[in-house]
Amino acid sequence: AQSVTQLDSHVSVSEGTPVLLRCNYSSSYSPSLFWYVQHPNKGLQLLLKYLSGSTLVESINGFEAEFNKSQTSFHLRKPSVHISDTAEYFCAVSVTNTDKLIFGTGTRLQVFP
Amino acid sequence: GEEVAQTPKHLVRGEGQKAKLYCAPIKGHSYVFWYQQVLKNEFKFLISFQNENVFDETGMPKERFSAKCLPNSPCSLEIQATKLEDSAVYFCASSQREGRDYGYTFGSGTRLTVV
Repeated sequence: AQSVTQLDSHVSVSEGTPVLLRCNYSSSYSPSLFWYVQHPNKGLQLLLKYLSGSTLVESINGFEAEFNKSQTSFHLRKPSVHISDTAEYFCAVSVTNTDKLIFGTGTRLQVFP
Repeated sequence: GEEVAQTPKHLVRGEGQKAKLYCAPIKGHSYVFWYQQVLKNEFKFLISFQNENVFDETGMPKERFSAKCLPNSPCSLEIQATKLEDSAVYFCASSQREGRDYGYTFGSGTRLTVV
């Protein structure tokens, strides 16, 4: 069965510093992996996705994630965070035969000035 | 349009009342998914459709929950006789063909409060 584990429930960092949000997955097949961001009282926005091809995936707002098959990880990084990055971040894997998403329990990122 | 439209944004129902939520997927997207977010973080898959056909309903509490996606109408999720534990944010997502190959777009959710 497929599953997702987000290792940190809460991460606090200062503005301008790098951040790492960790995600490990379990999948019998070549997975499709996603990072979503949820700002307070808002919906889910797709941050980036790994479907196939290059293992390093970048988003337009400076986040990047690297698919590591041997470590079954899809960690999210940003070299320099902004206060507006304060939000909940969810890692998800797509179940191959039914196409539904399995979500991790989320990591709350708090960025301080 | 290019967004998944969910209505209403907020819904308050007394215990035992019916609740109906709507979702208009992105035009051209043939797959629709419903998720329930409880306790702020936990996402539970409910049901998915391929066009108007149920694709996967393994997450649906069938006694009180039902869903439809009819041609030329928004998809709907209906809860008969709501319970306090149904209080959650319900998200709809759509995808063009298989989401694992193309990605999923989520709506902004409907917050259901059962009192």
